[in-house]
Amino acid sequence: AQSVTQPDIHITVSEGASLELRCNYSYGATPYLFWYVQSPGQGLQLLLKYFSGDTLVQGIKGFEAEFKRSQSSFNLRKPSVHWSDAAEYFCAVGASGNTPLVFGKGTRLSVIA
Amino acid sequence: ETGVTQSPTHLIKTRGQQVTLRCSSQSGHNTVSWYQQALGQGPQFIFQYYREEENGRGNFPPRFSGLQFPNYSSELNVNALELDDSALYLCASSFSGRYNEQFFGPGTRLTVL
Repeated sequence: AQSVTQPDIHITVSEGASLELRCNYSYGATPYLFWYVQSPGQGLQLLLKYFSGDTLVQGIKGFEAEFKRSQSSFNLRKPSVHWSDAAEYFCAVGASGNTPLVFGKGTRLSVIA
Repeated sequence: ETGVTQSPTHLIKTRGQQVTLRCSSQSGHNTVSWYQQALGQGPQFIFQYYREEENGRGNFPPRFSGLQFPNYSSELNVNALELDDSALYLCASSFSGRYNEQFFGPGTRLTVL
């Protein structure tokens, strides 16, 4: 079965500290992987995506993620968190074409001064 | 370039009523997918429309139905509303092709009383 696991429901980091959000997936086909961010009451904004090639992908707002096939993981990282990064983060997996995305349950990020 | 728009923003209905949600896809996109996001959960795939035909469906009952119009805008209809239908309904548009990059609208918050 296709699934995405985000083990951390809620993470709190200090402003300026580094961040890593974990994502593990189970998918039968070659996975396309995505990270989305959602601010309260808002829709989803795409942070970055992995289709193929270089396993380290850069996204918007200074985020990056690394695809590790052997670990079925696609963890999101940021070297220095800003207060405006506080939001809900969702990892998703899909395949080529029009296949629907399967989302994790999300990780809520809080940023403290 | 116009992004994905959804209407209305918020909606309150009572159990047993019917509701129609609307989505305008991003310019150049021909595929619309609908997702339901319950409180504290990740989005779940409802169905997808491509060239005015349903092109895949998630685990939702038939009282969830949809349409896609020639201009690729879409409607989601829910009959016989239940309390558990209370959620954020997200529309995502994409262009059918190899890369499954979906762009999300801001969502419609439906409350069923």
